[in-house]
Amino acid sequence: AQSVSQHNHHVILSEAASLELGCNYSYGGTVNLFWYVQYPGQHLLLLLKYFSGDPLVKGIKGFEAEFIKSKFSFNLRKPSVQWSDTAEYFCAVIQNNNDMRFGAGTRLTVKP
Amino acid sequence: DGGITQSPKYLFRKEGQNVTLSCEQNLNHDAMYWYRQDPGQGLRLIYYSQIVNDFQKGDIAEGYSVSREKKESFPLTVTSAQKNPTAFYLCASSSASSGRVEQFFGPGTRLTVL
Repeated sequence: AQSVSQHNHHVILSEAASLELGCNYSYGGTVNLFWYVQYPGQHLLLLLKYFSGDPLVKGIKGFEAEFIKSKFSFNLRKPSVQWSDTAEYFCAVIQNNNDMRFGAGTRLTVKP
Repeated sequence: DGGITQSPKYLFRKEGQNVTLSCEQNLNHDAMYWYRQDPGQGLRLIYYSQIVNDFQKGDIAEGYSVSREKKESFPLTVTSAQKNPTAFYLCASSSASSGRVEQFFGPGTRLTVL
């Protein structure tokens, strides 16, 4: 069965710490990869996406993600987090033009 | 001001009642989706529609029904057959039904069954 794994359920960091959130998917083939963020009480907002080309993708708000095909991974990174990055982060995958599948989400808490 | 609207934001229902959640988009998108979000489980697909008058079941369609009579609207009915309906429901749309397209999300409706 298709699956998307986000191994960290809750991450707590201090401001200015570096962030890396893991995302792995279980299948091969053509993949389109996404990271969404859900700030408290807000819509899901697209942070970045990967379709093809450079595997290092830059998104909004200083986030980036790297697609490593051999590891079936698409980890999200940010060099220095801010209190305003406190949110829930979802990795999503479309494989072989099928449905979008979401990970369980990672809740990030940034302490001021 | 383009986007997706969902109403109401909060909804309370008694057990045994059907309830309909509204989703409207003015993005001129062909595809629309309904997801259910539960803590620790991410988003799970209930139904999706690629074009008007057509829709398909997602992973957890049991106890739900939808219609797509207009391109802009994709209402979801939570029926009394849904065993555990209390959840946060998200509607989304995309310009195409598959491939290199992102989905845009509405603000959600939180349904509580009393």
